[in-house]
Amino acid sequence: AQSVAQPEDQVNVAEGNPLTVKCTYSVSGNPYLFWYVQYPNRGLQFLLKYITGDNLVKGSYGFEAEFNKSQTSFHLKKPSALVSDSALYFCAVRDTTDSWGKLQFGAGTQVVVTP
Amino acid sequence: GAVVSQHPSWVICKSGTSVKIECRSLDFQATTMFWYRQFPKQSLMLMATSNEGSKATYEQGVEKDKFLINHASLTLSTLTVTSAHPEDSSFYICSAHPAEKLFFGSGTQLSVL
Repeated sequence: AQSVAQPEDQVNVAEGNPLTVKCTYSVSGNPYLFWYVQYPNRGLQFLLKYITGDNLVKGSYGFEAEFNKSQTSFHLKKPSALVSDSALYFCAVRDTTDSWGKLQFGAGTQVVVTP
Repeated sequence: GAVVSQHPSWVICKSGTSVKIECRSLDFQATTMFWYRQFPKQSLMLMATSNEGSKATYEQGVEKDKFLINHASLTLSTLTVTSAHPEDSSFYICSAHPAEKLFFGSGTQLSVL
């Protein structure tokens, strides 16, 4: 079985400061890893993914994430946060042997960026 | 990028009525679509996989007679919440994967009075 843990319910950061949202995962095989962002009453928007290749993945809106196999982590990072980055962020994992719909989502981390 | 359109964005209905939610792939064909449910401040839970031309596959614990899914074409899947009750109130989201990632609709907020 696969699982995702986002240990922080909320992350508070001042605008201009670095932003990190943590994610650890567990899968039986090789993982496909994703980050999505959700604004209030909206669907999820894709930020980035790790399938294979470079451990550092760059995505939309200046976000990046680093795949760390030994620590089974896939933390989301942004060097300089914006107020508009305030939203709910979901990490998701899929075992390569599962169907695409069977993404396992974390509980989500609310990011609050203050001016 | 690929677009998944979901309609309506929100709906309010009386208890006992049925509500239909549409999910369309606008610029690609989707033989498979997925329906999720999200409670406030919680994560997404996969309800069912919609298969074009065949029966949907429901996750354990999801009532298939309550949540009817039809995938009649390669660009349209519908979720009908039958005889809705207040406990069915939730945020419903559909998705599809034209490439190696899921694209999500904008979601439907259902409120059953």
